Amino acid sequence: GAGVSQTPSNKVTEKGKYVELRCDPISGHTALYWYRQSLGQGPEFLIYFQGTGAADDSGLPNDRFFAVRPEGSVSTLKIQRTERGDSAVYLCASSLALAGTGELFFGEGSRLTVL
Amino acid sequence: DAKTTQPNSMESNEEEPVHLPCNHSTISGTDYIHWYRQLPSQGPEYVIHGLTSNVNNRMASLAIAEDRKSSTLILHRATLRDAAVYYCILRDAPQGGKLIFGQGTELSVKP
Repeated sequence: GAGVSQTPSNKVTEKGKYVELRCDPISGHTALYWYRQSLGQGPEFLIYFQGTGAADDSGLPNDRFFAVRPEGSVSTLKIQRTERGDSAVYLCASSLALAGTGELFFGEGSRLTVL
Repeated sequence: DAKTTQPNSMESNEEEPVHLPCNHSTISGTDYIHWYRQLPSQGPEYVIHGLTSNVNNRMASLAIAEDRKSSTLILHRATLRDAAVYYCILRDAPQGGKLIFGQGTELSVKP
């Protein structure tokens, strides 16, 4: 399809393990965003990219979280030494440009469960 | 980031209009008012946005107060598919960047 694709849709891991979550944005979209959402809460901003560079990573909770977008398209969110509190739905969105009024297109999310 | 205030929940009957309010008293001159909604088990989806004038699209209408300190999202005929959490968000147009989501309004639609 032509929408934002996120894989895996579900990931169950054990405390202390390393996890990678992948986002394929809509083709041609230069801006890419990561959010996480806990049950009953609104999405919480983590980081966004303009092209290959992180324009704002102020939402990353600590140094266990890292995201890359090496070729300006696909992005990977990496979580080291996972903790039970990292359990959430991780949402990715893309848009045509960083500035302006353009809408963000969200994927369906990757549900991470840390046991 | 300028903040918005929305009721936690609202109820509507199917096929009736729904008015979802949002207060944003600290809005700045370059802030656009955006609305997104999130259906169960899905990512948020864009609904509408505006600056000063009222806006209409195929999904909804947006009524913006003259002083811009509040706005109302209007669904003209609610359907069961409109049951979702609706988020009102301010976004600075020149700076753009991240959307900051609040708690939103959970809309339930009764048949």
